[in-house]
Amino acid sequence: AQSVTQLDSQVPVFEEAPVELRCNYSSSVSVYLFWYVQYPNQGLQLLLKYLSGSTLVESINGFEAEFNKSQTSFHLRKPSVHISDTAEYFCAVSGGSNYKLTFGKGTLLTVNP
Amino acid sequence: GAVVSQHPSWVICKSGTSVKIECRSLDFQATTMFWYRQFPKQSLMLMATSNEGSKATYEQGVEKDKFLINHASLTLSTLTVTSAHPEDSSFYICSARDFQGRGIFDEQFFGPGTRLTVL
Repeated sequence: AQSVTQLDSQVPVFEEAPVELRCNYSSSVSVYLFWYVQYPNQGLQLLLKYLSGSTLVESINGFEAEFNKSQTSFHLRKPSVHISDTAEYFCAVSGGSNYKLTFGKGTLLTVNP
Repeated sequence: GAVVSQHPSWVICKSGTSVKIECRSLDFQATTMFWYRQFPKQSLMLMATSNEGSKATYEQGVEKDKFLINHASLTLSTLTVTSAHPEDSSFYICSARDFQGRGIFDEQFFGPGTRLTVL
C-alpha cells in the first residue's frame, strides 16, 4: 500500500517570493513520484516526475523537486513565483507494475501581487 | 503533449437515472485508462483501471454494478453511473496511458473532468 501526505492545504505567497510545497509519501515498494498542476477549470497536467537517476528534477517553468529517500519526501520548490503559478498542486506516487497513481489531497498555491 | 477529452464536461440528472461519461484519447492509443473521483477540496480517488478489450479492475469499495466501465477501443473508455443518487454527485476525471512500451516511462494524460450533479 502507498500513501501521500501534502502537509499544507493552502499556501499564499507574494509574487516573486520563493515557495516550497511539501510532500511526503509512504510505500512498501520502489516508488515513482510526480507533481501535477491543475489550473482552474482544467485537467491535471504533469509538472515533473522522478522515475530514476538524478534525485533533483526540474520543470520547464522553473519548478524543481528533490527525491529524498531517507526522509520519504518529494518537496516542490520555486525560487520566484509568478501570479500565473496560482493553481492546485498535487503530489502523487506510483509503485509496482500497475501504473496506478495515489494522490495527495492537493495544495492550493495562491500568488498575490 | 497528448490530449484526453471528456464528454460531457458537466451534467445534471434526476435521481434514479443513468449517466454515461466518455473519455477519449485524441491523438494516441491508450491500452489503459483510469477513472478517478474527486470530492471538493479532496484528492483524486482511483475508482477503476480500464484495459482495452477486458473487464475493468475496480478499487476496493467501488461498486462495479453501479459504476459500469467499458473500454471498447484503444481511444475510448466510458463510465456509466447507473441509478444515480445525490451522493454520486462529484467530479469524475479520467486519464489515459500513452502506450509506448516503456513501462513506467509511458506518461499518463488527464482529461478535464466531468461535473456530475444528481438532484
